[in-house]
Amino acid sequence: AQSVTQPDIHITVSEGASLELRCNYSYGATPYLFWYVQSPGQGLQLLLKYFSGDTLVQGIKGFEAEFKRSQSSFNLRKPSVHWSDAAEYFCAVGGDSSASKIIFGSGTRLSIRP
Amino acid sequence: DAGVTQSPTHLIKTRGQQVTLRCSPKSGHDTVSWYQQALGQGPQFIFQYYEEEERQRGNFPDRFSGHQFPNYSSELNVNALLLGDSALYLCASRRYGDRGHDQPQHFGDGTRLSIL
Repeated sequence: AQSVTQPDIHITVSEGASLELRCNYSYGATPYLFWYVQSPGQGLQLLLKYFSGDTLVQGIKGFEAEFKRSQSSFNLRKPSVHWSDAAEYFCAVGGDSSASKIIFGSGTRLSIRP
Repeated sequence: DAGVTQSPTHLIKTRGQQVTLRCSPKSGHDTVSWYQQALGQGPQFIFQYYEEEERQRGNFPDRFSGHQFPNYSSELNVNALLLGDSALYLCASRRYGDRGHDQPQHFGDGTRLSIL
């Protein structure tokens, strides 16, 4: 079965501290992995994506993610968070076909402590 | 270049009513997908339209139906509304011929549907 698990519902970190959001996936074919961010009342913004090649991918806003096939994980990281990073973060997996749907995790809400 | 646009932004309905939500895809895109995002949850795939036909469907009842027009815009219709249909409804678009790694889906800001 295709699924995405984000084990942390809510995380609070201090401004300037490092961040890691966890994501595990289950997908039968070659997975295409994404991280999206959603601010309150807003739609989804793509932070980064992984399809192949270098397992460490860089995204917008200083985020990066590392793909680990052996652990079926795609964790999101940021060296130093800013108050503006407070939002909901979704890990997602899809396929290569044009018809592929995107399967989302349940999200991790990030709060920033001043 | 306008992205994915959805209307209305907010909508309030009562149980048993019917609702229609609208989506205009990003310029150059011909495939539209709809997602339901309940409060505190991740988006769930409802269905996808291409060439005015439903191509793929998620685990949603027949009360959820859609349509795609020749200009690629799309509508999501929900009949016999239930309290559980309260959610943010997101539309996403892409070009059908693109591979997954070429063109991740672009999302609109959604329509917030509240059922009283």
